Amino acid sequence: QSALTQPASVSGSPGQSITISCTGTNSDVGGYNHVSWYQQHPGKAPKLKIYDVSKRPSGVSNRFSGSKSDNTASLTISGLQAEDEADYYCSSYRSSSTWVFGGGTKVTVL
Amino acid sequence: QVQLVESGGGVVQPGGSQRLSCAASGFTFSTYGMHWVRQAPGKGLEWVAFIQYDGSKKYYADSVKGRFTISRDNSKNTLYLQMNSLRTEDTAVYSCAKNWGYFEYWGQGTLVTVSS
Repeated sequence: QSALTQPASVSGSPGQSITISCTGTNSDVGGYNHVSWYQQHPGKAPKLKIYDVSKRPSGVSNRFSGSKSDNTASLTISGLQAEDEADYYCSSYRSSSTWVFGGGTKVTVL
Repeated sequence: QVQLVESGGGVVQPGGSQRLSCAASGFTFSTYGMHWVRQAPGKGLEWVAFIQYDGSKKYYADSVKGRFTISRDNSKNTLYLQMNSLRTEDTAVYSCAKNWGYFEYWGQGTLVTVSS
């Protein structure tokens, strides 16, 4: 069960926008609209930021947005802030009733 | 508010067993599917297992299939993970998470260290 592919790191200056990609296959990202994104600060539990490709849970800033094209999903953080510095993980439902995560992306605010 | 509190972690020898618990509160536990997810030290997240709201369906990652068993007691609002034949590569923080298509809320996790 190979993981989804994310870039190891992405960086940006305060106020800028960054995009994190998450590439899978027709059996996961491309086949279902159950892609979600999580933010994890060091030593903390992950927090849901986006679910079902582009939906934001209540309380999540509209600076976070999600999209999908074919087998690649993306998370965009606009108006980058210092508090956004964290690890980000994508996840997708996969055929055979399993779930898979990406390898994680470290976001650095310059 | 939703709370998920894991317990049962510790140090166990290779080949040994461990049972983890996840106490849920703040929502109607018996109406939600639940997951176990793990994170090895310094590594990424790995999905481990899922159980349907009524316990009738269970799914596992290939890496734990046949060794781990997920279960739940809806009368106690508690999720379990029975881990047998543990290997060094099972060392991780194990967290429970609520919902089906995505991981809506997470506990803080409990550390399982498999070492001789």
